[in-house]
Amino acid sequence: DAKTTQPTSMDCAEGRAANLPCNHSTISGNEYVYWYRQIHSQGPQYIIHGLKNNETNEMASLIITEDRKSSTLILPHATLRDTAVYYCIAPPYNTDKLIFGTGTRLQVFP
Amino acid sequence: DADVTQTPRNRITKTGKRIMLECSQTKGHDRMYWYRQDPGLGLRLIYYSFDVKDINKGEISDGYSVSRQAQAKFSLSLESAIPNQTALYFCATSEGGRTEAFFGQGTRLTVV
Repeated sequence: DAKTTQPTSMDCAEGRAANLPCNHSTISGNEYVYWYRQIHSQGPQYIIHGLKNNETNEMASLIITEDRKSSTLILPHATLRDTAVYYCIAPPYNTDKLIFGTGTRLQVFP
Repeated sequence: DADVTQTPRNRITKTGKRIMLECSQTKGHDRMYWYRQDPGLGLRLIYYSFDVKDINKGEISDGYSVSRQAQAKFSLSLESAIPNQTALYFCATSEGGRTEAFFGQGTRLTVV
């Protein structure tokens, strides 16, 4: 499994963009990067995933560096409801065995 | 109705008791997972199943067993519960093939 490294915590002002980094320097060429978030003690919620191209959906954007060793999840206009723990995951190729680390605790403040 | 349903949502049990946590899904997915979360920590994979006949151990399977009764049902058992198995347990499903996983709302288990 590709190991991912994320900052323990981050703050963001409401209405501003939240940029959450993830390092995955050991990722192999066919391993995707997934992002999930967990609000309080609820079940984790899928956000987005990508391989090498940047991706965008209604929740967020995912920017993956050209060498694929790191990525950034962008919440363009953070709200208080975006306060959560965000997990970056790179499961092994051809498997959906999702191994979660400790993630980044994002606190959005008014 | 939720796509992934876990029962019970909360349970207090005594040390040494056998307990089963149940998970059912209406997504029609082949892949199902059981995770454990301790306070302040991330999720750790206990067991996973890629179809009814395929069961695999995860990171922390000791003290746990599972049963995949049908495509839609995946149960986690603690044969003899101990206090350090007190945790929040999550079930998840996925279709496979680079798709998202869907999680249940969790079961909060306390072993006294």
